[in-house]
Amino acid sequence: KAGVTQTPRYLIKTRGQQVTLSCSPISGHRSVSWYQQTPGQGLQFLFEYFSETQRNKGNFPGRFSGRQFSNSRSEMNVSTLELGDSALYLCASSLGIRGDSPLHFGNGTRLTVT
Amino acid sequence: GIQVEQSPPDLILQEGANSTLRCNFSDSVNNLQWFHQNPWGQLINLFYIPSGTKQNGRLSATTVATERYSLLYISSSQTTDSGVYFCAVERDTGGFKTIFGAGTRLFVKA
Repeated sequence: KAGVTQTPRYLIKTRGQQVTLSCSPISGHRSVSWYQQTPGQGLQFLFEYFSETQRNKGNFPGRFSGRQFSNSRSEMNVSTLELGDSALYLCASSLGIRGDSPLHFGNGTRLTVT
Repeated sequence: GIQVEQSPPDLILQEGANSTLRCNFSDSVNNLQWFHQNPWGQLINLFYIPSGTKQNGRLSATTVATERYSLLYISSSQTTDSGVYFCAVERDTGGFKTIFGAGTRLFVKA
């Protein structure tokens, strides 16, 4: 069974631009969550989707948004990029409603904002 | 909000040594997971362990939910065990939010 797939692996953008990252969960998994990892702040929860509905959101500005499609694939979008948005963005999927099954992570998208 | 603290922050071991990593959390949680992040950034789920003890090869984990801590044991360490170990807790706050500890950075010397 294929794992969680994130695309692209690497991305370089300029301040003020926007970016869209994609995540395909493990087949059969319906929950997708997103995380930002930086050296200073560690791993931080961005948001979580289940059955196309955002169920929870972390403490990030409105420039960070996401969505989930009917096939459980998810995208996250960051608008008006800032230098501080440079980070490793990780997506995870789990089988059911969150809290009752383990998280499985993709390899991440490394975003550099110049 | 809930606080998750991991100790030690850094650990250097000689290959073959054993170690114990600790994760303390400040409030009740619905579940707890341990992850290993390898030097290439990949996060691997080691244990899903809201309570009790589990073993997987040279690794085992114990969570005592009533006392709000979890332990990860690594026996006969190998150089491939190097990386960062994270614990993460989840709480139902009307939707699940995952909170990660800062991690324990492990280096195993050959």
